[in-house]
Amino acid sequence: EPEVTQTPSHQVTQMGQEVILRCVPISNHLYFYWYRQILGQKVEFLVSFYNNEISEKSEIFDDQFSVERPDGSNFTLKIRSTKLEDSAMYFCASSEPGLRNNEQFFGPGTRLTVL
Amino acid sequence: RKEVEQDPGPFNVPEGATVAFNCTYSNSASQSFFWYRQDCRKEPKLLMSVYSSGNEDGRFTAQLNRASQYISLLIRDSKLSDSATYLCVVSGDSSYKLIFGSGTRLLVRP
Repeated sequence: EPEVTQTPSHQVTQMGQEVILRCVPISNHLYFYWYRQILGQKVEFLVSFYNNEISEKSEIFDDQFSVERPDGSNFTLKIRSTKLEDSAMYFCASSEPGLRNNEQFFGPGTRLTVL
Repeated sequence: RKEVEQDPGPFNVPEGATVAFNCTYSNSASQSFFWYRQDCRKEPKLLMSVYSSGNEDGRFTAQLNRASQYISLLIRDSKLSDSATYLCVVSGDSSYKLIFGSGTRLLVRP
C-alpha cells in the first residue's frame, strides 16, 4: 500500500538554526500539506501546496517557514531560524482531492526538538 | 466556541463492549468529515470518512447530522487494539485544510 514517508524521524537543533524537514508524498497525489502537533495538544494545519504553489496557510506559517517541491517526489518544510516553541511533531500529508472526499494520508512525522 | 469539540475521555471499557464518541463542529458550511485514530506519538491514521447517509466499516459506524453539526462514531465488540485516541476531523467550506478536534482517548481493558 502506498504511503507518505518523512525524514528524519527525529531532528535536534539549536535555537536560531535552520532546519529542513523532508517528505515524499504518495506518488499520484496532487495536494500536499504540513501539520504540526505540539506535545499534548491537537494537530494544527500549517500549509497546503498545489501546482507548485501555496494554496493556503495558517497564522502559524509566518515568514520563518517556507515550503518547496524541489523535484518530482520530495516536498520540504524549511524553518529559517528555529525557536523553542517550534518544538513539535511535524506531519506531512497528501491527498487526491475530488476523488475521495479529500481524504488525507499522513506520514510518520518528524519530531523536532529545539534546544 | 472551539471549531471541533470532543469529550477528551478517557473512556475505559472492557473488551467486547460497545462505545460511542461524539463530536460537534462550529462551521455549518463544512464539507468533509472524518474520524482518524492516533496512537501515542504516531501519525493520525484515517479510520473512515463520514457521510450524511451514515456509513459502516466492519465494527465501526459513523453518523453525521448536519442540522445539529454533530458527528458520531460507534465501535462495536471493542478489541484491545482499539485503544487509541480518536480524532474528529472536519474540512473547511472552501478549503482543503483539516481541522482537528483534541481527540477522545479510548482504553480497552482485558
